[in-house]
Amino acid sequence: KAGVTQTPRYLIKTRGQQVTLSCSPISGHRSVSWYQQTPGQGLQFLFEYFSETQRNKGNFPGRFSGRQFSNSRSEMNVSTLELGDSALYLCASSLSQGKLYTEAFFGQGTRLTVV
Amino acid sequence: DAKTTQPPSMDCAEGRAANLPCNHSTISGNEYVYWYRQIHSQGPQYIIHGLKNNETNEMASLIITEDRKSSTLILPHATLRDTAVYYCIVRGHNDMRFGAGTRLTVKP
Repeated sequence: KAGVTQTPRYLIKTRGQQVTLSCSPISGHRSVSWYQQTPGQGLQFLFEYFSETQRNKGNFPGRFSGRQFSNSRSEMNVSTLELGDSALYLCASSLSQGKLYTEAFFGQGTRLTVV
Repeated sequence: DAKTTQPPSMDCAEGRAANLPCNHSTISGNEYVYWYRQIHSQGPQYIIHGLKNNETNEMASLIITEDRKSSTLILPHATLRDTAVYYCIVRGHNDMRFGAGTRLTVKP
């Protein structure tokens, strides 16, 4: 069974640009969550999607957005990039078919560097 | 904000049991305790979770106190490959709030 796939693995962008990251969940998983990891702030929750709807959202500015497609694949977008957006962006998928407590499986992440 | 407290670092000798503590004194009745670990710059890896009973799987054991205010993750025979940051998470929904975790170093 294939794991969670994130693309691209590495990305370098310039301040002010926008970026789109992609996440393909494990087959059959309908919930996709996104996290940002930086040395200073650790792992922080961005948002969670289930059946193409955003269910939960963390404390991030509106420059961070996401969406989920009918096949459960998800994308997150960051507009007007800032240097502080440099981070490892992680995606996690879980079954979550009405159950709250299914384990989440993480991808390897996309490392974004903003210069 | 994370609802757990963990020591920032621990050492363990290879082959010995590693016992990683976690305090979660404000845990609610419907919240589970989850453990994940992260090996340098990889995605976090699920280890185990529990509600109030002790749990064991092929990776580890989870001991939860009767009042559920703390728990211990036990790696029975630590190897060098178990060197990682271990996160204890109290989870009631799909938005997991990670704390700083415990950096476990297994030494030969």
